[in-house]
Amino acid sequence: GQSLEQPSEVTAVEGAIVQINCTYQTSGFYGLSWYQQHDGGAPTFLSYNALDGLEETGRFSSFHSRSDSYGYLLLQELQMKDSASYFCAVRTNAGKSTFGDGTTLTVKP
Amino acid sequence: DVKVTQSSRYLVKRTGEKVFLECVQDMDHENMFWYRQDPGLGLRLIYFSYDVKMKEKGDIPEGYSVSREKKERFSLILESASTNQTSMYLCASSFWDSTNEKLFFGSGTQLSVL
Repeated sequence: GQSLEQPSEVTAVEGAIVQINCTYQTSGFYGLSWYQQHDGGAPTFLSYNALDGLEETGRFSSFHSRSDSYGYLLLQELQMKDSASYFCAVRTNAGKSTFGDGTTLTVKP
Repeated sequence: DVKVTQSSRYLVKRTGEKVFLECVQDMDHENMFWYRQDPGLGLRLIYFSYDVKMKEKGDIPEGYSVSREKKERFSLILESASTNQTSMYLCASSFWDSTNEKLFFGSGTQLSVL
């Protein structure tokens, strides 16, 4: 099966940079995704890494290393609205997308 | 604008009842998923489907079944609801190719089984 590990909580201040790590164990790896979920809302897509390296989308970047079964989400210039839960997810060749337990990010003024 | 619609936002059922959760997507996606989300446990995959009439078990299929008779609709069925199935249920559909996958989620159905 698949398993993913990410920290349960992270706290940072406005304007800072925060990195949320994700390590995984899986067979048939196809890609690593990140999703954001605000309280009471549905998860929304942030990024997908099929290959190794860094993907940048505005203030958010995602990195993946297949050989290390590791990835991270980097959030820069933190804003209060970034307070949310962040999930990494692994997509396998069987068509499954398995999610980690999520990291709650709290941004303080 | 892309849309995944779940039929109910809140649902209260009694133990032993048969429960249907409906999900419709308007993006012509082939892949559809049902997850449940419980506090501290993230999203756990119940079933998914990659085509009409096709279904695959996820990580926690026990006590659930699914139906996909049309491409746009994916139904989750609780044959005999139990209190441990009280949860937030999230439906998703996805576009996928070798370089990208993006799941679009519905707003969720909070199911309470009494």
